[in-house]
Amino acid sequence: GQNIDQPTEMTATEGAIVQINCTYQTSGFNGLFWYQQHAGEAPTFLSYNVLDGLEEKGRFSSFLSRSKGYSYLLLKELQMKDSASYLCAVRVLYNTDKLIFGTGTRLQVFP
Amino acid sequence: DVKVTQSSRYLVKRTGEKVFLECVQDMDHENMFWYRQDPGLGLRLIYFSYDVKMKEKGDIPEGYSVSREKKERFSLILESASTNQTSMYLCASSFVAGGADTQYFGPGTRLTVL
Repeated sequence: GQNIDQPTEMTATEGAIVQINCTYQTSGFNGLFWYQQHAGEAPTFLSYNVLDGLEEKGRFSSFLSRSKGYSYLLLKELQMKDSASYLCAVRVLYNTDKLIFGTGTRLQVFP
Repeated sequence: DVKVTQSSRYLVKRTGEKVFLECVQDMDHENMFWYRQDPGLGLRLIYFSYDVKMKEKGDIPEGYSVSREKKERFSLILESASTNQTSMYLCASSFVAGGADTQYFGPGTRLTVL
């Protein structure tokens, strides 16, 4: 079976750092994506990891450990606009673009 | 910029009606996808297509069908809508399989079946 786990909700304070974890158990692995989704809007792409290690992109970083089936999204210098759901998704097969999504983590940033 | 559009943002239908949800992308993408999104269940893949006239079942295809007659357009059909199909429906597209290419999502259609 395919299973992707994320915390349901997290809260943090403006200016702080927050880490959102994602663990996966899938039949195959060919990359992990993080998306951001504001309430009532479409998911938008944040990051992609296929090799172990950290990918940094401005205030956002994403880490992958394939041997542990684990990823995290790190958000620094939190802003109110970062309040959103964060979706972890795994591409299982190389030759299709089919993604398996976690249920998402709803992050609330307070002033 | 990639643009994925969906025919309606909100739709209300009655049980038993046939429902068409349309999705159009303007970036010549090969792959197109239909998902539904429900609280606590996340995004679940209904159907996807990797070429014109080609379709593959996703994880929850029951009660749905799809059509892809043109590369830019992917339609989701509910043959006989039921109340358990009340959901947010999201369409997505991507260029090629593999690599860092991501899926681009449309704004979603919130369907209510009464």
